[in-house]
Amino acid sequence: KAGVTQTPRYLIKTRGQQVTLSCSPISGHRSVSWYQQTPGQGLQFLFEYFSETQRNKGNFPGRFSGRQFSNSRSEMNVSTLELGDSALYLCASTGLAATDTQYFGPGTRLTVL
Amino acid sequence: DAKTTQPPSMDCAEGRAANLPCNHSTISGNEYVYWYRQIHSQGPQYIIHGLKNNETNEMASLIITEDRKSSTLILPHATLRDTAVYYCIVRDLNTGTASKLTFGTGTRLQVTL
Repeated sequence: KAGVTQTPRYLIKTRGQQVTLSCSPISGHRSVSWYQQTPGQGLQFLFEYFSETQRNKGNFPGRFSGRQFSNSRSEMNVSTLELGDSALYLCASTGLAATDTQYFGPGTRLTVL
Repeated sequence: DAKTTQPPSMDCAEGRAANLPCNHSTISGNEYVYWYRQIHSQGPQYIIHGLKNNETNEMASLIITEDRKSSTLILPHATLRDTAVYYCIVRDLNTGTASKLTFGTGTRLQVTL
C-alpha cells in the first residue's frame, strides 16, 4: 500500500505571494492532518480534515487554510506569505478508527524569500 | 503544551540497546503512549504505541510502568541508521481530537561506532 505523498517536495516563494501544497493520504484513509515544523517552534498542528470537513484547528492565523476533496486528497493554502512561514509542512493521514495510527508524508519544504 | 518530558539528547554505541525514557505523569486513563522518530528533515516515522501493557514489534519494545506515568522505548540493537529525534506523544482517543498530535522537543539519539 502506498504511503502518504506530498507535492511539491520543495518550493521557493517570495513575501506576499500565496502557495498551495497538496497531500494524498494512504488509500482508504479519510482523515488528513497538517503540521508545520520550524526550528524555533518545532512540530505544530495546523488543522485536520475528515470527510471534507475541518474537524480540528490549531492556533494559526487565518492566512493558513485548507480543504479536502471527496477522494480524501487535501490541499493547504498560505496566503500573503511571510518570512516566518518558511518551514517543513507535513501531512499525515489516519484511518477510520480513532485508534488508528497516524502516518506522515515526507513533507514539503517551503522557503520564503 | 506537550504532556511529555524527554531528555534532550542521548548517545548510544552501535550494536548496544538504546533506552529512551519518557515522563508522562499527567496521562489519563484512555490516553495511549505513541513513539515516532524523525530522521533529518524527513516526515516522522511511527514506531510503536501502547496503553498499559508492554509492546514489541519489529522495530522496538515499549515498556510502560504500572502507574503509566512513564515509559521507555527500547531499540534492542541500535545502528547508525537509528540516529534521529525520537518523540514520545500522549494521544487522546477522543474521536474528535485523536488526530491532533502534540509533539514536544523529543530526544536526539546519536548512535556512534
